[in-house]
Amino acid sequence: QITLKESGPALVKPTQTLTLTCTFSGFSLSTAGMGVAWIRQPPGKALEWLALIYWNDNKRYSPSLKSRFTITKDTSKNQVVLTMTNMDPVDTATYYCAHGDYGSGTFDYWGQGTLVTVSS
Amino acid sequence: DIQMTQSPSTLSASVGDRVTITCRASQSISSWMAWYQQKPGQAPKLLIYKTSSLESGVPSRFSGSGSGTEFTLTISSLQPDDFATYYCQNHESQSWTFGQGTKVEIK
Repeated sequence: QITLKESGPALVKPTQTLTLTCTFSGFSLSTAGMGVAWIRQPPGKALEWLALIYWNDNKRYSPSLKSRFTITKDTSKNQVVLTMTNMDPVDTATYYCAHGDYGSGTFDYWGQGTLVTVSS
Repeated sequence: DIQMTQSPSTLSASVGDRVTITCRASQSISSWMAWYQQKPGQAPKLLIYKTSSLESGVPSRFSGSGSGTEFTLTISSLQPDDFATYYCQNHESQSWTFGQGTKVEIK
């Protein structure tokens, strides 16, 4: 059974760097074809895909946000980390991590999400 | 980025109604369309991928169709559990985008 869970600060100040961790089980990021993505959702708004990392360390970023994000993995800990620089109040959102297979482009298992508020 | 435009934004329907949601892509995505259902306070749930393939465990009253730039999600007979927000997603390229969502409300 695949499960994912996000963790990180609930509140960050503008200009600060946000670090979110996705801890997962039921699959390994050392297995060919596996991937973990980050997707966010501002309150009352739509979903926005942010980044994805594959088992082979291949990474994909949303073109509009690429310069601010870094996604990394720690295979031994079954974790994926998303770092986002220069946080702004418009980045206030629920951040989800999700499992995705290489080549599918869809996200079949999701974490519960973690709400991050950006405010001074 | 490929832009995804859903319509309508909100849909009021009754139990038993046939419901159709449309999603248009700003350029052709062949058959690479997925649909998700999201209920308040919950993560999205994958319903359909590759336009018409049902994810395991999804009821057969859900179906998808289309190709190129225009796609539809149909619920053949709306059930109480189906009142939720639905999102389309382009899964054609390595840069994925979602529609703005369609909220299905009780009439």
